[in-house]
Amino acid sequence: GNSVTQMEGPVTLSEEAFLTINCTYTATGYPSLFWYVQYPGEGLQLLLKATKADDKGSNKGFEATYRKETTSFHLEKGSVQVSDSAVYFCALRSPGNQFYFGTGTSLTVIP
Amino acid sequence: DGGITQSPKYLFRKEGQNVTLSCEQNLNHDAMYWYRQDPGQGLRLIYYSQIVNDFQKGDIAEGYSVSREKKESFPLTVTSAQKNPTAFYLCASSNEYRDYYNEQFFGPGTRLTVL
Repeated sequence: GNSVTQMEGPVTLSEEAFLTINCTYTATGYPSLFWYVQYPGEGLQLLLKATKADDKGSNKGFEATYRKETTSFHLEKGSVQVSDSAVYFCALRSPGNQFYFGTGTSLTVIP
Repeated sequence: DGGITQSPKYLFRKEGQNVTLSCEQNLNHDAMYWYRQDPGQGLRLIYYSQIVNDFQKGDIAEGYSVSREKKESFPLTVTSAQKNPTAFYLCASSNEYRDYYNEQFFGPGTRLTVL
């Protein structure tokens, strides 16, 4: 079956620190992979995506590389800001199938 | 601007009452979804619809009902049979259910509280 496992939070970092949020997946076929961000009281927004192995998605300084050999899609950012404080969700979609989400990782960045 | 609207943002319901949450999209998307979000549990799929007049149960459909009479609209009714309805409800849509490259777009959510 399909599933997404992501690193449990909460994660607290100082401003300008390096961020990694781990995400691994199990899927039938060759899925597309996504990272979404959710700010308090809001819906989810797409942060980045990758649709095939070795693709790198990037947006707003965040990056994630689709690693088929390790079934991973880890989210990274070189220097976090206070405004990056949010909950981050990893997700996948397999051909002919619906979306599967991880449980979310809460990030707090302190000045 | 294209997007998904959900209303109301906050909703209060007494026990034993049915309540309907609105979801409208102007993205011309074929597929629409309803999720429930509880703290620490991520998103759980309630219902989804690939085309007008067709919908399927998700993982937690008991106590919920939906309709899809128009492409733009996918209202969710939380019935009195739903034992613990207090949660944050998110509506989403995507283009071409079979095209799995496309992401989902989400509405701003409705927070339902049962008094």
